Amino acid sequence: GAVVSQHPSWVICKSGTSVKIECRSLDFQATTMFWYRQFPKQSLMLMATSNEGSKATYEQGVEKDKFLINHASLTLSTLTVTSAHPEDSSFYICSARVTGHPNYGYTFGSGTRLTVV
Amino acid sequence: DAKTTQPNSMESNEEEPVHLPCNHSTISGTDYIHWYRQLPSQGPEYVIHGLTSNVNNRMASLAIAEDRKSSTLILHRATLRDAAVYYCILTGGATNKLIFGTGTLLAVQP
Repeated sequence: GAVVSQHPSWVICKSGTSVKIECRSLDFQATTMFWYRQFPKQSLMLMATSNEGSKATYEQGVEKDKFLINHASLTLSTLTVTSAHPEDSSFYICSARVTGHPNYGYTFGSGTRLTVV
Repeated sequence: DAKTTQPNSMESNEEEPVHLPCNHSTISGTDYIHWYRQLPSQGPEYVIHGLTSNVNNRMASLAIAEDRKSSTLILHRATLRDAAVYYCILTGGATNKLIFGTGTLLAVQP
């Protein structure tokens, strides 16, 4: 149980276009989801906290107009990278806190490898 | 957010126990200690978490110091599939967000 499904697993896009990444909680309701990015050989960096039905909270230094987050339902959060550029190429990972399941803690999606050419 | 300190890397031999240390001297009374691991090109995977008492599950054991300023993740018999980056993270406060440090890269030799 407590599975987070993330799609797509990889995407290649042209510079200047937008890309949407979806994160779904399959068997639980996620009122809060988190979005991370990870560059090669580095740790995960928290980008934003996504709350169902309200605006996301962005970490310092993360451009909210570039990384649009929508959390319209208890099972779906999306991250849209707008006007992507090569420096946005990274591994993006979503996560949800599994409340009511003390043995699970937080569960993560499998990640999306974004390459901007 | 309270900070954790881990060795950058460790090595182990297959089928031997592995003890991965983590220091968290600024931990607060309500902070949970979480351990996650990440295999290459995958999202992190939950390993174990605890508050004060030692914890055991099918994957590992978590030994928490009496003063809670350090903890140790114990893999009882390392396998090649345990080669990963292991992150020790503290959670607490209103947002309960996970802030990742640099973690420990565990190499397992056959």
